[in-house]
Amino acid sequence: EAGVAQSPRYKIIEKRQSVAFWCNPISGHATLYWYQQILGQGPKLLIQFQNNGVVDDSQLPKDRFSAERLKGVDSTLKIQPAKLEDSAVYLCASSRGGGARRGEQYFGPGTRLTVT
Amino acid sequence: KNQVEQSPQSLIILEGKNCTLQCNYTVSPFSNLRWYKQDTGRGPVSLTIMTFSENTKSNGRYTATLDADTKQSSLHITASQLSDSASYICVVSSDTGGFKTIFGAGTRLFVKA
Repeated sequence: EAGVAQSPRYKIIEKRQSVAFWCNPISGHATLYWYQQILGQGPKLLIQFQNNGVVDDSQLPKDRFSAERLKGVDSTLKIQPAKLEDSAVYLCASSRGGGARRGEQYFGPGTRLTVT
Repeated sequence: KNQVEQSPQSLIILEGKNCTLQCNYTVSPFSNLRWYKQDTGRGPVSLTIMTFSENTKSNGRYTATLDADTKQSSLHITASQLSDSASYICVVSSDTGGFKTIFGAGTRLFVKA
């Protein structure tokens, strides 16, 4: 099966500009996650969708970050306006869930964002 | 507070040697524990997954152990190869009605020729 797709792979913007990332999960996976991974750290969950509904967005900086998952498939994550501290890799993951393997997530390659 | 602590932060070993990475967690209630490998510039890839009743799981040269009583896990890599150079992330899941996953910061492994 095809993996999780993300684009773009790299993005460089200036602070206060806007940026959007796109994610296409594995077909049939109902749950989609967006993570922020700062260099040298583990991924930090930003938002979790179950189909097209938000399950957890407690760590999403809602004053500048937004995400949507229209029709319960693809998702976009937007940052507006960007700050220097937003420089990180943004990972998208999806999972099917169920039983002992519930929550096993499959990750995309990530988008490396540099804010200058 | 649910936390996952990994040690060491980084490790350098010679090709062909074995190594063991540690993961301690305070996540409760426990659902499962996974080890991921993350190559530079790529997303994490699952190596092993263990539930409460499993205390060891192997995937080729990777062997993970779990002690649910002491809330510790280890990942043992046998006969290391240059391609093992990566970050290894311990992830613990908790099922509290809302399923949550807590990521460790990872151990950065460098395998030298």
